[in-house]
Parts: sequence; structure tokens; C-alpha cells
Amino acid sequence: GESVGLHLPTLSVQEGDNSIINCAYSNSASDYFIWYKQESGKGPQFIIDIRSNMDKRQGQRVTVLLNKTVKHLSLQIAATQPGDSAVYFCAENRATDSWGKLQFGAGTQVVVTP
Amino acid sequence: NAGVMQNPRHLVRRRGQEARLRCSPMKGHSHVYWYRQLPEEGLKFMVYLQKENIIDESGMPKERFSAEFPKEGPSILRIQQVVRGDSAAYFCASSPLASADTQYFGPGTRLTVL
Repeated sequence: GESVGLHLPTLSVQEGDNSIINCAYSNSASDYFIWYKQESGKGPQFIIDIRSNMDKRQGQRVTVLLNKTVKHLSLQIAATQPGDSAVYFCAENRATDSWGKLQFGAGTQVVVTP
Repeated sequence: NAGVMQNPRHLVRRRGQEARLRCSPMKGHSHVYWYRQLPEEGLKFMVYLQKENIIDESGMPKERFSAEFPKEGPSILRIQQVVRGDSAAYFCASSPLASADTQYFGPGTRLTVL
């Protein structure tokens, strides 16, 4: 069925290295994607978003890449810091559903080691 | 500039009792969304509301759950006759507009049913 999913449940990264978190989606009608960061005991925090008419978007230390050909989304974090340790979710908004109904993936736990 | 506010942060109920969860959106936001998160899982959409209107409740269980967003005051998610399976974190998000605008999340209410 249609879903948003992540390839890796846990990602261990050494401090200072770059992190790459991947996400696959199956609905080609999806037109808006968001990455959220969730720390333990807190709500999801917006990181960066991208619309389907783009293939790359950069923020502060983060870059999101969208490959519509293979329905793949990735989040790159440069110079990973201990504060980046969290669960990262990709979410999509499907144009075929009602607006506002975000579909979340299962999440990837990022652990930053010293 | 207060973000999305939710209360209570933690709620303990016995089976059969009622749970009321409150959400005050960010200032200027007129769209509210409720999501449920089970441990180790992603967020699942429940309901999308505007002031005095339910726009999409396709993720709400058919029984015992209801939501409202009155003209004045916070949005309320109400769970009647709670069961142990209702134990979860419930997150509220808000946005200024629908149509794929970014949703900003509150800190959540963690419901425990004994």
C-alpha cells in the first residue's frame, strides 16, 4: 500500500561527521515533504521542508534532497553535533488527500558519539 | 511568541474515565491538527479542525473519541471511557493556513490509562 517509510531504524554517527537519513515514499502524487526532529519527551520540531517542484533545499547545516524518479527523500546534517541526537521523521502531504493530513514515517534514531 | 501549547502535559486516568486534552494554537493560526503517537512509532493523523468546523476526521476512532475547536478557547480532544490501548502521546499542531503549510507541534500530552 501507499506509505512513507525509512530505510534505517538507527544511525550512529561520530561527532563532526555528516549524517544522512533516508526516506522512501510510494505515492507519486505527494507534493510536499517535511523533516521533523523529535527529542525524547518533546514534540516534533520542524527542520526543513521541500516541495515537489524542487530537488534540493538547504538550511543551516541541513540539506534535503528529493528524487522523484525513485521516490526518495534524504536529510543531510553537516558536522553532526551531540545536540543532533534525536529521532528524525519524514512526513508527506498528499495532494490526493485532504490538505493538512501529514503522513509520517516510522522514524530514524540518530545517536551521536564523541 | 508562544508556540503551540498543550495541557496537561501528563494525564493519568483509570479505565472507564474520560480524558480531556487541550490545545492552544500559535497566535494567528486558525488550523489545528491532532496526532497520536504510540511508543517507538511515528505520528498518526487523527483529525483536522478549523474554528467551529471539523475538516477531516478520517483518523479518529469511530467511538469514544471526539474533537472540537470552538470559536473561543482551545481545541479539545475528548476520549470517553478510556481503555489501556488509549495510552499514548497526543500531539497537537497548528498552521496559519491549510494547503501544505508547515505544521508546528506542541509538546504533547502523555496519557496513561491504568
